[in-house]
Amino acid sequence: AQTVTQSQPEMSVQEAETVTLSCTYDTSESDYYLFWYKQPPSRQMILVIRQEAYKQQNATENRFSVNFQKAAKSFSLKISDSQLGDAAMYFCAYRDSGSARQLTFGSGTQLTVLP
Amino acid sequence: DVKVTQSSRYLVKRTGEKVFLECVQDMDHENMFWYRQDPGLGLRLIYFSYDVKMKEKGDIPEGYSVSREKKERFSLILESASTNQTSMYLCASSSRGPPPGNTIYFGEGSWLTVV
Repeated sequence: AQTVTQSQPEMSVQEAETVTLSCTYDTSESDYYLFWYKQPPSRQMILVIRQEAYKQQNATENRFSVNFQKAAKSFSLKISDSQLGDAAMYFCAYRDSGSARQLTFGSGTQLTVLP
Repeated sequence: DVKVTQSSRYLVKRTGEKVFLECVQDMDHENMFWYRQDPGLGLRLIYFSYDVKMKEKGDIPEGYSVSREKKERFSLILESASTNQTSMYLCASSSRGPPPGNTIYFGEGSWLTVV
């Protein structure tokens, strides 16, 4: 079974600074998708960014970018120019390309943004 | 915008009670999911459904059942609530097919306390 590990239960960053959240995963599949989800205090889970495993180029969405290292099975999220609204729980998630079961989640990283 | 609506945000139930958690989505999605979220454990899949009247067990189905009589509605049932089922429950839905079309959308969550 696939597993997703987030080794940082909590992180903090100063406003306007950059922070990187770590994620590793374990799979024997070659074709899959990786995601970062954000869950603010309101509890609505929101997709931040998506990466297809067959793509070598790292995904970017505005201030959010990933460092995808397929051989190392590593998928970190970088948040640049951190804002107070970025404070949330961040979940890394994995999905097989052919799976109907959707996502396997990591345990989450609580990000605090300090003014 | 896609909307996944969970009927109750906060519930308090007694041990042994039968509990229904209701979820409705408005995007004609084929797939619907129930997750349980606990601190330090991330989100764990309880059940998912890929069509009306179709269901499959997730990673932690024990003590739960589900019902999907209509495409837009997916219910989670606790036949006899126990205190270890105190948790946040998240409903989600997605369409079939490859990303990005099958992005998973989440409801706001239902916090269940069993006393």
